[in-house]
Amino acid sequence: EIVLTQSPATLSLSPGERATLSCRASQSISSFLAWYQQKPGQAPRLVIYDASNRATGIPARFSGSGSETDFTLTISSLEPEDFAVYFCHQRRSWPNSFGRGTKLEIK
Amino acid sequence: EVQLLESGGGLVQPGGSLRLSCAASGFTFNIYAMSWVRQTPGKGLEWVSGISGRGSNTYYADSIKGRFTVSRDNSKNTLYLQMNSLRVEDTAVYYCAKERAATAYDGLDTWGQGTKVTVSS
Repeated sequence: EIVLTQSPATLSLSPGERATLSCRASQSISSFLAWYQQKPGQAPRLVIYDASNRATGIPARFSGSGSETDFTLTISSLEPEDFAVYFCHQRRSWPNSFGRGTKLEIK
Repeated sequence: EVQLLESGGGLVQPGGSLRLSCAASGFTFNIYAMSWVRQTPGKGLEWVSGISGRGSNTYYADSIKGRFTVSRDNSKNTLYLQMNSLRVEDTAVYYCAKERAATAYDGLDTWGQGTKVTVSS
């Protein structure tokens, strides 16, 4: 099973700042990576698929990059509604797996 | 509007069984692969199982293989998860989710509201 390691576990930033979240795979997954945003009491929401494609309705301030084993989710200028937990998800092989998440909190 | 509605959760004793259902609406159900994902309280997400649009291919996490069975009835637009030999560690909120694309496994773009499963004596 492919293990995804997300870092940092918690990221404290202020609105308007740039957020950089990392996801590292234990083996190459090409570009088969998705990112999700989850707010308390809600189901996850797809943000990025295939490492760098924004899902429908996701603002342009969200971008994804990376391939093989190292991936990054960047939020260029944080809005208040962006503070949430973010998970990465590998689709390269079965069984799929998720990272443990990065909590993006207001500083 | 694309919607997924889970049901069937509840309290069950260790060793018991439950069947979860996920009723889909607002899209052509039989061309999209589906997944079950669970989340333990205060913790992260765990992918549980996946099934292709026609139901011919199924996939399972190692932690539930041999105990859980995923299936679908495309005539009823419904996804199922039969859970047997339940363990305390299976306690979680279970979500069903739809693949973004009909031809790829690249992202789960629609999720249900989740159904809670508690395994306890």
